[in-house]
Amino acid sequence: AQKITQTQPGMFVQEKEAVTLDCTYDTSDPSYGLFWYKQPSSGEMIFLIYQGSYDQQNATEGRYSLNFQKARKSANLVISASQLGDSAMYFCAMRELSYTGANSKLTFGKGITLSVRP
Amino acid sequence: DVKVTQSSRYLVKRTGEKVFLECVQDMDHENMFWYRQDPGLGLRLIYFSYDVKMKEKGDIPEGYSVSREKKERFSLILESASTNQTSMYLCASSFVQGGNEKLFFGSGTQLSVL
Repeated sequence: AQKITQTQPGMFVQEKEAVTLDCTYDTSDPSYGLFWYKQPSSGEMIFLIYQGSYDQQNATEGRYSLNFQKARKSANLVISASQLGDSAMYFCAMRELSYTGANSKLTFGKGITLSVRP
Repeated sequence: DVKVTQSSRYLVKRTGEKVFLECVQDMDHENMFWYRQDPGLGLRLIYFSYDVKMKEKGDIPEGYSVSREKKERFSLILESASTNQTSMYLCASSFVQGGNEKLFFGSGTQLSVL
């Protein structure tokens, strides 16, 4: 079964507007971490934001925030005030924390392409 | 800043060749990973290691092996390269502290098997 689902087709947003990138996940582990990464055309993977399953508040990092809805198992990324440099592919990922030995396995979604229009 | 270095940005090999992809990290991280990235499939985990000489299979280990003789170095080995192993290979390392973690990636190796 797919553990991370990113189903949106390519997303478009006008510069300076906010955009939400969807991510749903599936796990029976009560302890897990959720990540978002950005991959521009250069190919490098850039860490954006992290949310732990026991964190009481939604994570924020500058213009990035994570809309964490635990009961719905969703971890949507919100980018405020989009910039042209935000055009990239965005990956949601999850790490289940309760497994000994394999507790660092990180599972990625298939990614969403975001294009910011001037 | 953490640095994860992959030895080659582009690599072209022939079917049947033995291929080594090298990855070195400079931050004493315990965990290291090899992923391959293909269009429409996202990143898929090949192998990972959480300590020296320790390795765990990921989701698609077939056709690959790994070596971690030193903490800073994690090598991916294609024993006999095949055309379906043409892909972008990404190495990463991470350190967990207090349940929080960041995964740091190398810049990737685009491997073409002819």
